[in-house]
Amino acid sequence: GAVVSQHPSRVICKSGTSVKIECRSLDFQATTMFWYRQFPKKSLMLMATSNEGSKATYEQGVEKDKFLINHASLTLSTLTVTSAHPEDSSFYICSALQGPATNEKLFFGSGTQLSVL
Amino acid sequence: GQNIDQPTEMTATEGAIVQINCTYQTSGFNGLFWYQQHAGEAPTFLSYNVLDGLEEKGRFSSFLSRSKGYSYLLLKELQMKDSASYLCAVISGNYGQNFVFGPGTRLSVLP
Repeated sequence: GAVVSQHPSRVICKSGTSVKIECRSLDFQATTMFWYRQFPKKSLMLMATSNEGSKATYEQGVEKDKFLINHASLTLSTLTVTSAHPEDSSFYICSALQGPATNEKLFFGSGTQLSVL
Repeated sequence: GQNIDQPTEMTATEGAIVQINCTYQTSGFNGLFWYQQHAGEAPTFLSYNVLDGLEEKGRFSSFLSRSKGYSYLLLKELQMKDSASYLCAVISGNYGQNFVFGPGTRLSVLP
């Protein structure tokens, strides 16, 4: 089946630094990828829709200057958490859409646990 | 809404095999995760199934049947460190916006 690779799986950083998370579709091209944030034992929250070659569409309440999304190629989207603070500590997951509009499937990465000290 | 069910507790012996079941009811199914969680720690990703069948990763395997709304996590050659809670989580919705954890199964591995 289709594979979406997300790296790193776990990152610990100091407050004020920036962290980049990569999401790659390994065996298919994805014009659309999604980024989510998950708090422990709570629902996944959609943060933004990443479209190849254009600006990401952010959900209400998500700071676009804080969470920079770049979808420079059909197989790679990146999320950069800029000037991270402890409240940004969370589990971040990406997903990628595969297939034509009539038969789209969604595949998820394995997530990144971010801990900001 | 979604309804996810798992056994509350299971006990097994070191070196044995254990199967943890998860049943769910949802619409717009997009995938099912299994996580391992030790007390006081964040969940750790174990597996992700979106298509029917068995996915094997070392001592851990996960199975999915979408038509039956059923998944299981199989742990082989149990070790003491496998004592933890195991959570299944179901994703649904057009953009995977609905992510719900099951209640979790507390596994105790005995010597």
